[in-house]
Amino acid sequence: QVTLKESGPVLVKPTETLTLTCTVSGFSLSNARMGVSWIRQPPGKALEWLAHIFSNDEKSYSTSLKSRLTISKDNSKNQVVLSMTNMDPTDTATYYCARILVGAVTGRFTYWLDPWGQGTLVTVSS
Amino acid sequence: DIHMTQSPSSLAASVGDRVTVTCRASQSIYTYLNWYQQKPGKAPKLLIYVASSLQSGVPSRFSGSGSGTAFTLTISNLQPEDSATYYCLQTYSSTWTFGQGTKVEIK
Repeated sequence: QVTLKESGPVLVKPTETLTLTCTVSGFSLSNARMGVSWIRQPPGKALEWLAHIFSNDEKSYSTSLKSRLTISKDNSKNQVVLSMTNMDPTDTATYYCARILVGAVTGRFTYWLDPWGQGTLVTVSS
Repeated sequence: DIHMTQSPSSLAASVGDRVTVTCRASQSIYTYLNWYQQKPGKAPKLLIYVASSLQSGVPSRFSGSGSGTAFTLTISNLQPEDSATYYCLQTYSSTWTFGQGTKVEIK
């Protein structure tokens, strides 16, 4: 059974750095056809993709948040870590991690997210 | 970045109805489009990947179609448990983007 679980602080202060950990089980972070993505959702709002990392350590970041995000992984610990600097109250959201599955369509890689972790609510407030 | 526009933002339909949700991309994304269902307080769940492939375990009343810039999620024979918010996600570019969501309610 594949599971992902997010962990980290529930409350951070403005200007602090948020560090979240996604611990996975049931699959390997070194699997060439998989990766892990981070997504967030402010209360009552839409989903927002943040970043992802693949088995070969290839990474991608949201254009609007790129300067504040860092994603990394530790295959031996089955963990993916997301750091976000200079937190602001507008960053209050539920943060999800999800497994990326890799397929191929007409010679090009394609991707989908399944399953997702349960999410963790992070509140930014002084 | 590729912008994804969903319509409508919300709809209400009766049990047994056929419901259509549309997602439009700001440029061609071929078929690199997924659909997710999210119920209140829960994580999103994958319904459709690569525009039209039904995820294992998802009821066959859900279907996806489209390519290029226009995509559709169809729920035939709407059921009470289909009340949820539906999101599209493009994975064509190196930076991914979600649509803004469509809330489906049961009359």
